[in-house]
Amino acid sequence: QVQLVESGGGLVKPGGSLRLSCAASGFTFSDYYMSWIRRAPGKGLEWISDINFGGTTINYADSVKGRFTMSRDNAKNSLYLQMNSLRVEDTAVYYCARDPERTDDYGDSWFDYWGQGTLVTVSS
Amino acid sequence: SYEVTQPLSVSVALGQTARITCGGYNIGDKNVHWYQQKPGQAPVLVIFRDSNRPSGIPERFSGSNSGNTATLIISGAQGGDETDYYCQLWDSSTVIFGGGTKLTVL
Repeated sequence: QVQLVESGGGLVKPGGSLRLSCAASGFTFSDYYMSWIRRAPGKGLEWISDINFGGTTINYADSVKGRFTMSRDNAKNSLYLQMNSLRVEDTAVYYCARDPERTDDYGDSWFDYWGQGTLVTVSS
Repeated sequence: SYEVTQPLSVSVALGQTARITCGGYNIGDKNVHWYQQKPGQAPVLVIFRDSNRPSGIPERFSGSNSGNTATLIISGAQGGDETDYYCQLWDSSTVIFGGGTKLTVL
């Protein structure tokens, strides 16, 4: 069965860095676009970033552009999110999610499987 | 950038039909997807491409999309349906979520 397991969350000071990981299993990881999505306390879902099959095309939300870097290692069935220059407003549960629709030639995205999330808290 | 609007809250009597809307300019020209998120849990896809139901999702959940409004319809609302719902679409290489609607089942 499809499983996505995030790790790497924790408490970090403003300006600090953190690297999240997402381990995928139960499907051919390299066949899917993947995304990171977060939910801050008391707020709604916010898409952060997505990455194509080979990791050569990555898109970011304006709120994290220049601070966060998404990558993938298809040999390890893993997804990563390097978060630098963290701000208090980055505090959230971060989810990785699988996109069964998106391709390099077709523009639509939705998410059929999600991980359980990992909590990132940015506080002094 | 494209914007979508959801009501903050919707109330429905137990067993009645709930309608949660997602508004946007000509949203009927886009594919809209819907997620349910219960406290402490990951979001669950309940409708994709306007009106398609993933396997395992009850038939009570349906969707429509036309003009400037997409709608998630929950027929025969149950207590377990009381939670947050989000619409989502894709526009210009960006994934957009609505702000979310809290459904209360009275």
